[in-house]
Order: sequence, then structure tokens, then C-alpha cells
Amino acid sequence: ETGVTQTPRHLVMGMTNKKSLKCEQHLGHNAMYWYKQSAKKPLELMFVYSLEERVENNSVPSRFSPECPNSSHLFLHLHTLQPEDSALYLCASSEVEGGGYTFGSGTRLTVV
Amino acid sequence: AQSVTQPDIHITVSEGASLELRCNYSYGATPYLFWYVQSPGQGLQLLLKYFSGDTLVQGIKGFEAEFKRSQSSFNLRKPSVHWSDAAEYFCAVGPNYGGSQGNLIFGKGTKLSVKP
Repeated sequence: ETGVTQTPRHLVMGMTNKKSLKCEQHLGHNAMYWYKQSAKKPLELMFVYSLEERVENNSVPSRFSPECPNSSHLFLHLHTLQPEDSALYLCASSEVEGGGYTFGSGTRLTVV
Repeated sequence: AQSVTQPDIHITVSEGASLELRCNYSYGATPYLFWYVQSPGQGLQLLLKYFSGDTLVQGIKGFEAEFKRSQSSFNLRKPSVHWSDAAEYFCAVGPNYGGSQGNLIFGKGTKLSVKP
């Protein structure tokens, strides 16, 4: 248990489905992140929320939609995904003032 | 442009041997520096970090790293590798906003295999 919990651990979805990934932290952190990790590619920052406001969106396709209802919870809503979106999606949190990121165990997403 | 380079994609060492994983960065100012480890099917775990002060940093699991400003490097070392150290290792850099961390940039990772 790292302090950041992601559910589900594994998800298989069709291209027409709608699903959501959930991330929860009770570390008192003020910033939360979504990363995409694909084989043989660097970690890709997707979204950043600081103090519950989105501060960065790295040109992520609109089929990915984040939601941060409070400082402890972060969601990634998915719809009409493509097979190339199959990857490990990692959530992380940090104190805004530094200290390193704490990562969750990730959701392994497969789009069929 | 800001970047992190881990030149070794895959390294194999014998159990009990010493280890050094290389990390070079390109950054406009003195950054925050991190090493993370990822076991298969898991998220990333923070091994150690450098913010300021002593350039030799001690981390968990017997790892250490040395910040060398002149070489823009932050290499990770361990004097004696254990089979449980087999994993993927990521170097990361982030902006030093006088205390605020900012977003991290990760290297592509180095996969470590340990042979008996």
C-alpha cells in the first residue's frame, strides 16, 4: 500500500464503451497527476491538478476527460478509446511544495 | 529543451556485484532530481531525491546517488546488488521554484536484471 490507491487494477474495454479510472490519496497532498506509460516510451504526463484546479493538459485527446472533485480524489473518464490507448495509467500525488511524487500501482488498460 | 537521458536501456549484473545506473539531464537551472524504481505490474516507488546541500544522497534499499553539476549527471549506485533489485529504474528532474516542485520529466528507464 503506497498511500495512493487506483481502481480498477485491470480494465478491458471496447472502443465504444465508457469507463472511469479512480485514484484516491489520503496523504494530505495538494497536487495530483495522471500519467500514461506505454511500452518503450517515456512516461507521458497527461493532466495535473493543483489545489483541485487543472493546471496542465498536455494536449491529450478529448476522449480522455479528468475530474478532480476534491484534493483526495481524481478520476479519468474514458470514452471511444482507440487500441493505441492501451497502456498502464498511473496516478500520482505530491505536496505542491515538493517532496517527490507518490505513485499508485496503476490501471492496466486494454482497448479491444 | 528540458530532457532526461538514461543511456542504458537494459543492464545485467551478478548478484553481489556493484551497480551504477547513469542519468544525464538538460535543464535551464539547478533542478530537483529523483530516482524511482518500478517492479513489474506496480507503480513507481521513490528511491531518493536531491534538492540541495550534500551532493551525495542516500536512499532506501541501500541505494545512493551523486549529483555532479559539471557533468549534469545524477547516477544511481549500489555497492552490492540483491536479486530483489531486479526492476526498472527511472531518473526524473523537476523545476526548483525555491521550494515548489513543479512537474517532473522522466527518463525512459533502465531495466536491471540480476543473475545468480
